[in-house]
Amino acid sequence: DSGVTQTPKHLITATGQRVTLRCSPRSGDLSVYWYQQSLDQGLQFLIQYYNGEERAKGNILERFSAQQFPDLHSELNLSSLELGDSALYFCASSVTLAGMVEQFFGPGTRLTVL
Amino acid sequence: AQSVAQPEDQVNVAEGNPLTVKCTYSVSGNPYLFWYVQYPNRGLQFLLKYITGDNLVKGSYGFEAEFNKSQTSFHLKKPSALVSDSALYFCAVRDEVTGGFKTIFGAGTRLFVKA
Repeated sequence: DSGVTQTPKHLITATGQRVTLRCSPRSGDLSVYWYQQSLDQGLQFLIQYYNGEERAKGNILERFSAQQFPDLHSELNLSSLELGDSALYFCASSVTLAGMVEQFFGPGTRLTVL
Repeated sequence: AQSVAQPEDQVNVAEGNPLTVKCTYSVSGNPYLFWYVQYPNRGLQFLLKYITGDNLVKGSYGFEAEFNKSQTSFHLKKPSALVSDSALYFCAVRDEVTGGFKTIFGAGTRLFVKA
């Protein structure tokens, strides 16, 4: 168990809908990352937050947004969902912002868009 | 831009034999390289990392990796494979951007260890 929790574990929804994925980082970790894993795209970095502030952006669509709250948990909001958004979404955390530290991954949220 | 490549989609090895999972990298500046493992229906787990110093890095579960600057490689190795090592392995590099770091993962290599 990495200490990173994600809810829900599974999510099934329809095209055009909006969902929110939640992540709680390991105790003491200030940095949170979001990733998307799909068969065709592999593991893609979406966005990084550090102590409430957005710090790095990857291939995140404009329909997607995220935030990190004062208690350090983070939410990833996905809107106007399309079939292609079906994927496994991972949250990870690390103790600092520095590039040399490893990340600890949550178990993921499997999103199915019908 | 930083990148990593895992040239093999799949590696098959017999239990007890040594295993190697290959990774090559392309970075500007000093590389921060990582290996992660993903078991079925689980998140990724950190195995080891190279930051600087000794080219042979030891990690979890008996795995090690050799950083080779001239060949721009960071291959994952284990002297004696176990059936329980069967999983998906990812090589990754940290890419510094303004204000933070992105992590770029390779496509992954599926390791099958046969009893």
